[in-house]
Amino acid sequence: GAVVSQHPSRVICKSGTSVKIECRSLDFQATTMFWYRQFPKKSLMLMATSNEGSKATYEQGVEKDKFLINHASLTLSTLTVTSAHPEDSSFYICSAREGGRTEAFFGQGTRLTVV
Amino acid sequence: AQRVTQPEKLLSVFKGAPVELKCNYSYSGSPELFWYVQYSRQRLQLLLRHISRESIKGFTADLNKGETSFHLKKPFAQEEDSAMYYCALPPQGGATNKLIFGTGTLLAVQP
Repeated sequence: GAVVSQHPSRVICKSGTSVKIECRSLDFQATTMFWYRQFPKKSLMLMATSNEGSKATYEQGVEKDKFLINHASLTLSTLTVTSAHPEDSSFYICSAREGGRTEAFFGQGTRLTVV
Repeated sequence: AQRVTQPEKLLSVFKGAPVELKCNYSYSGSPELFWYVQYSRQRLQLLLRHISRESIKGFTADLNKGETSFHLKKPFAQEEDSAMYYCALPPQGGATNKLIFGTGTLLAVQP
């Protein structure tokens, strides 16, 4: 089956620094990738959608300058949390979809803790 | 606007009991609905989708357009079914086919 790998699985960073999270599709070409944020005991909140080679589309209320998304290739998308603050601490999940298909496959998630 | 509602945050049943995880939606037209499952410390994964009309791990879900529901059912729960279950659908007319998730239901199967 299709595999999406997310790295790192856990990261702790100091307040004010930036953190990059990678999302890779290992055995298919991900024309579209999605970034979600999951709050404790709550659902996944879609942050943005990125199509390979174009700018990401952000959901309402998500700061695009704070959460930089790059989807430079068909197998890699990155989410950079800039100038991180403790309130950015969360579980970030990516998913990837191959062109022409509606099923999306999920990464294992990244637990970000900002101290 | 499209919406997915999972009214139960927690559903606790005993092993061998029937399970029904509720999902209601609002959508104009015929949506494509999904159930995703997240076992403890594992990634979110697709359980089933209504267009395939298949049974996965004993679970089935029927789309009821009259009641706008897509409840997930299993006749006899097993302990290994304990997990978080999310109902999801694409947004209305969304070109990107992103998914909108419900708030999830935690299924706890007691021995």
